[in-house]
Amino acid sequence: KNQVEQSPQSLIILEGKNCTLQCNYTVSPFSNLRWYKQDTGRGPVSLTIMTFSENTKSNGRYTATLDADTKQSSLHITASQLSDSASYICVVSCSRDRNSGNTPLVFGKGTRLSVIA
Amino acid sequence: GAGVSQTPSNKVTEKGKYVELRCDPISGHTALYWYRQSLGQGPEFLIYFQGTGAADDSGLPNDRFFAVRPEGSVSTLKIQRTERGDSAVYLCASSLGWRGATNEQFFGPGTRLTVL
Repeated sequence: KNQVEQSPQSLIILEGKNCTLQCNYTVSPFSNLRWYKQDTGRGPVSLTIMTFSENTKSNGRYTATLDADTKQSSLHITASQLSDSASYICVVSCSRDRNSGNTPLVFGKGTRLSVIA
Repeated sequence: GAGVSQTPSNKVTEKGKYVELRCDPISGHTALYWYRQSLGQGPEFLIYFQGTGAADDSGLPNDRFFAVRPEGSVSTLKIQRTERGDSAVYLCASSLGWRGATNEQFFGPGTRLTVL
């Protein structure tokens, strides 16, 4: 069964500190892995997308890593800000279905990050 | 350019009623997706449109749920005989579709549906 597991479920850190969020997946056939940020009451917004051959990608203070062998990914946030408070969702995309053209996304439950002053 | 928009932002209805949720995708995006997100969970796939046709509706939970996209742009998700368990945030996303290996999906803000 295709699954995406994230840890921790929630995290509280002080402003300015770094943190790392974890994602393990059992999705096949694998196409790419994405990290989304979802603010309360808003839709998810993409932070990074990594394909099989990429093992790290940065977007400002966000750095994602991917180990396709162990099927693990992490999202590292540097010098956290209050505005980083949100849910961070790991999403793994399956290869495109030849019949429908759909590229199914398997979502994790997210890590709820709270950055406090 | 505008992103994906959804209306209404909030909908409260009574058990047994019929509701319609609307999604306006990004202009030019041929692919459109509906998801349902319950509290504390990640989004759950419902249906995928490529153009006007529902190419994959395997995520619809039962026949009370139906979606249309008659002109290949705006989509409406329709729920008949609503039940309390239908209460969730309904997210819409769109993407360029066939173009691009990553096929990035852009999400709307969602419609929060509450069934009393």
